[in-house]
Amino acid sequence: EIVMTQSPGTLSVSRGEGVTLSCRASQTIGNNLAWYQQKPGQAPRLLIYDAATRLTVVPARFSGSGSGTEFTLTINSLQSEDFAVYYCQQYNDWPRTFGQGTKVEFK
Amino acid sequence: EVQLVESGGGLVQPGGSLRLSCAASGLALSTFWMCWVRQVPGKGLEWVANINRDGSETYYVDSARGRFTISKDNAKNSLYLQMNSLRADDTAVYFCVRGHKGLEIWGQGTTVTVSS
Repeated sequence: EIVMTQSPGTLSVSRGEGVTLSCRASQTIGNNLAWYQQKPGQAPRLLIYDAATRLTVVPARFSGSGSGTEFTLTINSLQSEDFAVYYCQQYNDWPRTFGQGTKVEFK
Repeated sequence: EVQLVESGGGLVQPGGSLRLSCAASGLALSTFWMCWVRQVPGKGLEWVANINRDGSETYYVDSARGRFTISKDNAKNSLYLQMNSLRADDTAVYFCVRGHKGLEIWGQGTTVTVSS
């Protein structure tokens, strides 16, 4: 099983700041990685797939990068609606696996 | 509007069974891979099972293999998860999700509680 490790566990930031979230795979997964955002009481929402392809409805301040085992999600100029938990997920192999999540909270 | 609506969750005793259903509208399940993902409240996401477009291929997380069965009825445009021999650690919110790589469309989830 491919283990996905996200860091940090929690990020405390102010509105308008930029943040970078990390996700590491225990073995190479090419670019077969997705990022999700989840707010309390809601289902997750797909933001990015294939490591760097942003869904058209996702604001341009979200960007993904990386390949192999190291990936990042960058959020530029954080807005109020961006405070949430973010998960990465690999779909290179079965079983599909998620990272444990990074919580982006208001400082 | 594309929508997935889960049902069938509830309270069940350890060792019992439940069948979750997911009704799709605005999309034809026959053209998509589908899966179930679960989440213990306050915890992270866990992929449970996947099924391909025509239902001929299924994949499971180890903890579910042999106890859970994912299936779909393309004529009824519905996805199912038959869960047998339920354990306390199966307690979670179960999401019906469209997707094979990126998981694009999520239902709101149905809660399964396994407790005596």
